[in-house]
Amino acid sequence: DGGITQSPKYLFRKEGQNVTLSCEQNLNHDAMYWYRQDPGQGLRLIYYSQIVNDFQKGDIAEGYSVSREKKESFPLTVTSAQKNPTAFYLCAGGPRGGEQFFGPGTRLTVL
Amino acid sequence: AQSVTQPDIHITVSEGASLELRCNYSYGATPYLFWYVQSPGQGLQLLLKYFSGDTLVQGIKGFEAEFKRSQSSFNLRKPSVHWSDAAEYFCAVGENTNAGKSTFGDGTTLTVKP
Repeated sequence: DGGITQSPKYLFRKEGQNVTLSCEQNLNHDAMYWYRQDPGQGLRLIYYSQIVNDFQKGDIAEGYSVSREKKESFPLTVTSAQKNPTAFYLCAGGPRGGEQFFGPGTRLTVL
Repeated sequence: AQSVTQPDIHITVSEGASLELRCNYSYGATPYLFWYVQSPGQGLQLLLKYFSGDTLVQGIKGFEAEFKRSQSSFNLRKPSVHWSDAAEYFCAVGENTNAGKSTFGDGTTLTVKP
């Protein structure tokens, strides 16, 4: 599985609350990525990072924030500004420009 | 900007039959190309990748894909489908730069009839 772990698998939050999704890797990947997947749709890139202490917005960054303080960790915060946060969130890691190894995903439901 | 099109949203094949999933891409330079598979509620798993060289690429689980530059295609094939192949399949094109992010197609759902 490329050594990507995500927790928790299911997450429930009340509307208006911020929530942080965890993503950890143990294979020394330079690059890490966060995607959102909605039913019947492909993956949409939220944020990505190619190096520690640096990250770039993807296609749908509004309402999300990330940090990359350690190479092993790339947490995603879903803020109250995200208008429709209920979705399946996938974290991935890999060599820069290369294939990506995905975690098992976190299903976030906002009530 | 790069883009990927998977023309078939849903394909149904009989077990033991051959399979071809289509993928067309748009990218200004030589692309990096990938196929991934996703079972329901799971993450994606890499099936195969193309960076350069031989245009026929072998992957895991008996899958192969052929890069055709003239057609901007990277179709996935398998000679004999097994029931366990039922899943969603994603084609992706990666930037051949230091940025290195990928763009994914919308996926093709494969159903296997017994």
